[in-house]
Amino acid sequence: AQSVTQLGSHVSVSEGALVLLRCNYSSSVPPYLFWYVQYPNQGLQLLLKYTSAATLVKGINGFEAEFKKSETSFHLTKPSAHMSDAAEYFCAVMGETSGSRLTFGEGTQLTVNP
Amino acid sequence: GAGVSQSPSNKVTEKGKDVELRCDPISGHTALYWYRQSLGQGLEFLIYFQGNSAPDKSGLPSDRFSAERTGGSVSTLTIQRTQQEDSAVYLCASSRTGFGNTIYFGEGSWLTVV
Repeated sequence: AQSVTQLGSHVSVSEGALVLLRCNYSSSVPPYLFWYVQYPNQGLQLLLKYTSAATLVKGINGFEAEFKKSETSFHLTKPSAHMSDAAEYFCAVMGETSGSRLTFGEGTQLTVNP
Repeated sequence: GAGVSQSPSNKVTEKGKDVELRCDPISGHTALYWYRQSLGQGLEFLIYFQGNSAPDKSGLPSDRFSAERTGGSVSTLTIQRTQQEDSAVYLCASSRTGFGNTIYFGEGSWLTVV
C-alpha cells in the first residue's frame, strides 16, 4: 500500500527566504505524485504533478518539486517566499495498488513572516 | 469552465439527524471521489465512482455513510443519524478516466453536528 510522510506539520519562513517542504513516499512501483495547496476556508488546488516525464517538475506560483527515486522523496521548494504563500500544503501519491485514488500526507502548514 | 461544485457550503445539524451533501463534478469527468477532512485526521478517502463500475466504498467509516451517483454525474453523500464525530469538511473531487489523471477538488461542505 502507498503512504506519504510529510516531515514537519508546521514550517515558518521569512518573506524572501527559501521554502522547503518535505515529502517522502512509500510505493512498490514509481507512482504519480502530487502537491496540493489549501488556502483558508477553500478546497485543494493542484500545485504540480509528477508523471515520470521529468524528475524536476515546475508548478504554479513559482513552486517546483524534484522526484528522487533513490531517496523516495518529492520535496517542494520555492526560492523566495511571499506572504501569499501562507497556506497548508499536502503531498499525495497515486499508485497502482490503490487504483486512481490519492493517498495524502498529513499536511504542512506554512507560515510566512514579514 | 466550471469547477467541481458542492452544496451546501455550510451545514449545521442536530445529532441524530440525517444530512445529504451534493456534488456536481466537472463536465466530462467520469471519476468522482469523496474525501473527509477533519482536525487530527487529515484527508481521508471515503468513496470512489468510476463510470458504470461498482463504486469503491472501502473508505466509508460506518454503515451510516452512503453515497450514490445518478446518471454518471451528480453525486450525493448521505450521513444517517449524525454524530458529533462526523463534524468535518467533506470534499468532492473529479477527474477524467484513467490512472494518473489530475484530480480536481471542490470547495467542500463544512458539516457541524451539534
